[in-house]
Amino acid sequence: GAVVSQHPSWVICKSGTSVKIECRSLDFQATTMFWYRQFPKQSLMLMATSNEGSKATYEQGVEKDKFLINHASLTLSTLTVTSAHPEDSSFYICSARPGNEQYFGPGTRLTVT
Amino acid sequence: GEDVEQSLFLSVREGDSSVINCTYTDSSSTYLYWYKQEPGAGLQLLTYIFSNMDMKQDQRLTVLLNKKDKHLSLRIADTQTGDSAIYFCADVLSGNTPLVFGKGTRLSVIA
Repeated sequence: GAVVSQHPSWVICKSGTSVKIECRSLDFQATTMFWYRQFPKQSLMLMATSNEGSKATYEQGVEKDKFLINHASLTLSTLTVTSAHPEDSSFYICSARPGNEQYFGPGTRLTVT
Repeated sequence: GEDVEQSLFLSVREGDSSVINCTYTDSSSTYLYWYKQEPGAGLQLLTYIFSNMDMKQDQRLTVLLNKKDKHLSLRIADTQTGDSAIYFCADVLSGNTPLVFGKGTRLSVIA
């Protein structure tokens, strides 16, 4: 199947700093990518839909100024967590759908101290 | 909005078949998916079915879809300890709309 990569796979940062997570589609072009957040032992929560060349669509309750999404090319979307706080600690997963199949990246575990 | 429901836990003995069930509410769903998630990892696409199909088989996996009852199931034949994971059911309406996920079923395989 298609491959979606994420970088970094884990990151620890201090409270108040910003962290950027990259999501790449390695063998296909993705005009749309999805960003999810997952808390321990819970399902995935959709944060936003990232569209190449235009603004992302955020789900209700997700602060767009805190979670900045940039989809600058057909193979790269980035999520920047700005002014991170301990409550932002979570597992962030991106996803893309080349056709009918939707593939997920391996996830990025963010820990804010 | 769309709601996808799954039972939270399932425990089976190694070698037995596992059946994980899922219900959804939106009859307009076009594709339904099954994903597997192991600890600390992303989601692995296992299989998916188009809404005009009743069944799809792929090696040890069999997906059954009852569109009238909005019920989807995943059967894993000859379940192995490596199948222990969380299984998510998801559906999508169309185009670039996001997937809607169930809460996941934790499958435990007893040796």
